[in-house]
Amino acid sequence: GENVEQHPSTLSVQEGDSAVIKCTYSDSASNYFPWYKQELGKRPQLIIDIRSNVGEKKDQRIAVTLNKTAKHFSLHITETQPEDSAVYFCAATAYGQNFVFGPGTRLSVLP
Amino acid sequence: NAGVMQNPRHLVRRRGQEARLRCSPMKGHSHVYWYRQLPEEGLKFMVYLQKENIIDESGMPKERFSAEFPKEGPSILRIQQVVRGDSAAYFCASSPTDITGTDTQYFGPGTRLTVL
Repeated sequence: GENVEQHPSTLSVQEGDSAVIKCTYSDSASNYFPWYKQELGKRPQLIIDIRSNVGEKKDQRIAVTLNKTAKHFSLHITETQPEDSAVYFCAATAYGQNFVFGPGTRLSVLP
Repeated sequence: NAGVMQNPRHLVRRRGQEARLRCSPMKGHSHVYWYRQLPEEGLKFMVYLQKENIIDESGMPKERFSAEFPKEGPSILRIQQVVRGDSAAYFCASSPTDITGTDTQYFGPGTRLTVL
């Protein structure tokens, strides 16, 4: 079955700097890769996703890149703000399969 | 279009009692997923259901736990004879039938179960 690893487990950056979180997956059949943000005590919220027919996707300060050959994908947040502080989860899935989530990255943006 | 709804938001049970968690998917969504999250930990898949069918229950303990998604009404996750180790946040997510073949999941607010 699918296995998703995520690094780093914790990340601290200064406000205004960039943050990068990386995930690797094992199943070459996986074709959909969402990223979720979870604030303390709240639900996970989808922030961006990418499908396997695309190499990069951007939405304002957030971007995701996918390398199918190496089986890894990354979340990039530019110009970080204190409200970006949260736990971020990546996931991988193929059609009809359940999502497999990474263990999460706790991002702290320091003012 | 209301989002995914879960109730109750908080549930307190004594050891040995039953817990029933409800999830109403977004309108038009026919797939429901249940996850468990312990404090400071990730999302652990439990079960994936479509209307009247369990598709994948590989993450759900064989004993004391059951799930259903009837033709009418919400999906229900049922935990019998709860123990302290069942204390966690239980999240439900729903997804539409996606013609591209892969479904985006949207999460409910969760039910925080505390077992005394």
